[in-house]
Amino acid sequence: LAKTTQPISMDSYEGQEVNITCSHNNIATNDYITWYQQFPSQGPRFIIQGYKTKVTNEVASLFIPADRKSSTLSLPRVSLSDTAVYYCLAGRGGATTKLIFGTGTLLAVQP
Amino acid sequence: DVKVTQSSRYLVKRTGEKVFLECVQDMDHENMFWYRQDPGLGLRLIYFSYDVKMKEKGDIPEGYSVSREKKERFSLILESASTNQTSMYLCASSIERQGAYGYTFGSGTRLTVV
Repeated sequence: LAKTTQPISMDSYEGQEVNITCSHNNIATNDYITWYQQFPSQGPRFIIQGYKTKVTNEVASLFIPADRKSSTLSLPRVSLSDTAVYYCLAGRGGATTKLIFGTGTLLAVQP
Repeated sequence: DVKVTQSSRYLVKRTGEKVFLECVQDMDHENMFWYRQDPGLGLRLIYFSYDVKMKEKGDIPEGYSVSREKKERFSLILESASTNQTSMYLCASSIERQGAYGYTFGSGTRLTVV
């Protein structure tokens, strides 16, 4: 399981694009990169997952360079409701999977 | 949508009590997990199970045990609750599949031991 490193916190304003970068230098060949979002007093919620290049869904985009040693979660035009903790994980499915969550990045969106 | 349901949202128990936290998922997932979450420490894995009657220790299993008698239900047991087990407990499930994966979490149980 690859250890991930991400900023502890970030600040933004409503309407801005936010990019949160995650480092995973020891990512394995079969590992996927997954991002979760967590609001206070709730369980984490799956946002997006990718293996390489770019993935986009209705919530976010995920950019993964060719060496896969980092990834960037991009949130377009954030609103106050995007204030949450965002977790980056690198791993793969299977019987021995046990995802390791770090402390995540607290994104605070200001009006 | 997959649902992971934790039986209690809030619990208050006394020191020394035996505490059961229940988790049920409705999508036939093979894997189930229990985490605890504390301020500044993120989510830490307590136990997980990849099949009925199977269990594996996570990073912080001391003071806890688990039970998985049916595929859809995974119980976390605090044999003798202590104040340092006051925490948010989160259950999750995932499908058994190589490659892409995703966890579905419950809403959590906030346990206070007094």
